[in-house]
Amino acid sequence: SQQGEEDPQALSIQEGENATMNCSYKTSINNLQWYRQNSGRGLVHLILIRSNEREKHSGRLRVTLDTSKKSSSLLITASRAADTASYFCATVDSSYKLIFGSGTRLLVRP
Amino acid sequence: IAGITQAPTSQILAAGRRMTLRCTQDMRHNAMYWYRQDLGLGLRLIHYSNTAGTTGKGEVPDGYSVSRANTDDFPLTLASAVPSQTSVYFCASKQGAETGELFFGEGSRLTVL
Repeated sequence: SQQGEEDPQALSIQEGENATMNCSYKTSINNLQWYRQNSGRGLVHLILIRSNEREKHSGRLRVTLDTSKKSSSLLITASRAADTASYFCATVDSSYKLIFGSGTRLLVRP
Repeated sequence: IAGITQAPTSQILAAGRRMTLRCTQDMRHNAMYWYRQDLGLGLRLIHYSNTAGTTGKGEVPDGYSVSRANTDDFPLTLASAVPSQTSVYFCASKQGAETGELFFGEGSRLTVL
């Protein structure tokens, strides 16, 4: 069974708007990571947040982690058409394997 | 810049045939992984290897086998392919088993008829 589940499954926004994606997971984690996948390509790592961190920033990306609620969110500010992709959260379990959720498909309309 | 190379890119295979998907990395990463990606199910871990000479089972290992004879190569074998193994397969690696981010190959699209 999958550890992380993203919400929403699909999101369509206008260029310039912010996009927020959420991830919930089931068991305790070592860290949580977000990845991006362009259509037909492999996944690319975006950001990692450790279990003792609450918020992290990288450029236009902001990730939060709430271990009490077992949830994380990824915010992309000032979205661009090039941000159109699928976004996945991955939790790192006690044996350090990464378990992925089913992803959020983001469409940014020009 | 190579990173992770997967072959073949795409393959159509008759049910019952044996197939090996190849994965090679040039980053000297210790840990390597095989995932399959199916629509609506995200990525599911098939097998992994924390270091050369060791392998482990992931979420969906049945029907698949792996070997890790050296650091660079991590082939995935389907001994007798079935249509439910139609999927896109991704190989990934990271520096150490315990830390860091995954680096992915571009995937191998397999269709079993």
